[in-house]
Amino acid sequence: DTAVSQTPKYLVTQMGNDKSIKCEQNLGHDTMYWYKQDSKKFLKIMFSYNNKELIINETVPNRFSPKSPDKAHLNLHINSLELGDSAVYFCASSQEMGVGVFYNEQFFGPGTRLTVL
Amino acid sequence: QKEVEQNSGPLSVPEGAIASLNCTYSDRVSQSFFWYRQYSGKSPELIMSIYSNGDKEDGRFTAQLNKASQYVSLLIRDSQPSDSATYLCAITLRGFQKLVFGTGTRLLVSP
Repeated sequence: DTAVSQTPKYLVTQMGNDKSIKCEQNLGHDTMYWYKQDSKKFLKIMFSYNNKELIINETVPNRFSPKSPDKAHLNLHINSLELGDSAVYFCASSQEMGVGVFYNEQFFGPGTRLTVL
Repeated sequence: QKEVEQNSGPLSVPEGAIASLNCTYSDRVSQSFFWYRQYSGKSPELIMSIYSNGDKEDGRFTAQLNKASQYVSLLIRDSQPSDSATYLCAITLRGFQKLVFGTGTRLLVSP
């Protein structure tokens, strides 16, 4: 009964390769996110999708492309991987803010540790 | 100025003591405030949320919010070695759904 799951947990790859990370949530939430946590443990948002629509796109290289096939899934595809992409990537989800929901409590997946060699 | 600032620590307290973690934020329209706990190699786990001025208590945890001073804190009473982790302060701005995190404070509770 995992709430937010990600695959793979670890990803080791060479520079220049293309890779994908998958995320699924079974909480019935409308909004999903991708965060990057660097080596200094700073956690920063990359993207947010609400009901399959992109609503937040921070300053992220266009080598990173999120895709949301439905509101329970948000995948992250990375082209031409670089050394600086090495980090832990977290997926998260929350209910959509709106009628009856005023607060943005986000729940995180277990993370994917990406190492680019 | 960073949007959310925390002392990186480590903050060392003996078992049974009160641990006090502090966070300041720069944007006055910040609406929601959260404390996440992150164990090494694990994902952030939401432990407290607070939205209005004052104190909010949940078990051994108390969150305190002072919007005038742009300050939010987390008190952990009767600290246990299992509380040793990094504590992340996060805020959201009115109308926005993104969390802005501080860099976290590492807490070490010694037996």
